[in-house]
This record gives sequence, structure tokens and C-alpha cells, in this order.
Amino acid sequence: EVQLVESGGGLVQPGGSLRLSCAASGFTFNNYPMDWVRQAPGKGPEWVSYIDNVGGNIHYADSVEGRFTISRDTAKNSLYLQMNSLTIEDTAVYYCARDMGSTSWHAFDVWGQGTVVTVSS
Amino acid sequence: EIVLTQSPATLSLSPGERATLSCRASQSVRGYLLWYQQKPGQAPRLLIYDTSNRATGIPARFSGSGSGTDFALTISSLEPEDFAVYYCQQRSSWPITFGGGTKVEIK
Repeated sequence: EVQLVESGGGLVQPGGSLRLSCAASGFTFNNYPMDWVRQAPGKGPEWVSYIDNVGGNIHYADSVEGRFTISRDTAKNSLYLQMNSLTIEDTAVYYCARDMGSTSWHAFDVWGQGTVVTVSS
Repeated sequence: EIVLTQSPATLSLSPGERATLSCRASQSVRGYLLWYQQKPGQAPRLLIYDTSNRATGIPARFSGSGSGTDFALTISSLEPEDFAVYYCQQRSSWPITFGGGTKVEIK
């Protein structure tokens, strides 16, 4: 079964840091680009970051550029998001999503269940 | 940044009826427009990619159409499990953006 499982969310104070992880299984992880997408309460999804299948091409949304870092570990079939200098506006459910790659770049065909990040004092 | 505007915000229909959802882009996205379905407490699910291609396992009652800046998702005959929120997304240019959603609710 193709599966993505996120972890690492939680409650953090403004200015703090968190590292999210996403464990992939059921498919050849290093064949696919991956993305992080977040969704604030009551809002639509917001794309956060993209990494290609070898980690050589990375993009960020302007709202997180310079604060968040995406990475991947092929040996561990895992995707990561290091989040620094968190603000209240970063409060959301964070999803990792599989990018369809050459079939349809930046179409997200597999999603995890999400991990909740709450930034509050 | 390409802004996607979805309408209507809410669509109240009965099972068996036809649903037509609209997504308008602030500039051309060529054919790179996608649709997702989201139910409460769940992640979005890809329905349609690149205007009209159904994703794996998506029933034929879901279809997509459009070009340039105007796109539509049609559900030919609503099933009980189709009542949900639908989002469009463009992959034409960075940053990738989503619309604000249309909620399809039971009338």
C-alpha cells in the first residue's frame, strides 16, 4: 500500500522551531519529487515547498522562504521540513504529498494524514 | 502569483443532481489546472489533473473541462459520498496556488 505518514507536529511558541518528518512506503521513493502543503483552520490548501527526486531542485513559497528548509533522505525513504522562526500564521495542518513528477509535475496524487502545527504563546 | 477564484462558495444540491463548479484564473494557466476533493478531517484527494484527466480510481461521473483562464468540474449525478469541499489548483507557474474552495452540500 502506498502510504505517507507525517510526524513532528506540536505546540510551539512564536519564534520557535520544529522539524517535521514524512515516512514513505509502498513505492520507490527516489523516483518521485515531493512537496509539503499546509492548510490553516477553515482555509484552502497552501503549497509550501518542493524538492525533486534527488534533492537538487528546491522551491519555497514566499511566505516561508528563508525560514523553512526541505530535505529528503533516500536511504530512510523520508522527507523533512525544518521550520524556524515560526509565527502564528504558520499554524496549520502540514501534509506531505507525492508529486506526480513527469506524468504531471506538481500534481499531488498521494497525501499523508497530516500533522498539526500550532504556534501560540 | 496566479490567483484562482472558485464559484460558487457553496452549492446546495440533492443526490442525483448535476453539479458544476467553476474555477477562474487571474492569468492563463494553459491546461495545467487540477481538482481535489476534501472531506472533513481528511487530506485532499486528487480527482482531475491537467484540465480533464481523471486520476487513478476516480469514477467517470467526475469530469473536467476548460482552457486558458476558465475551468469547470462537473459531477454528472451526485452520489452521497460526493458532498464535500472541492479545490482547484494550478501548476502552470511558481508558486503553485489553490483556489478558495466550493462546498457541495446536501439540499
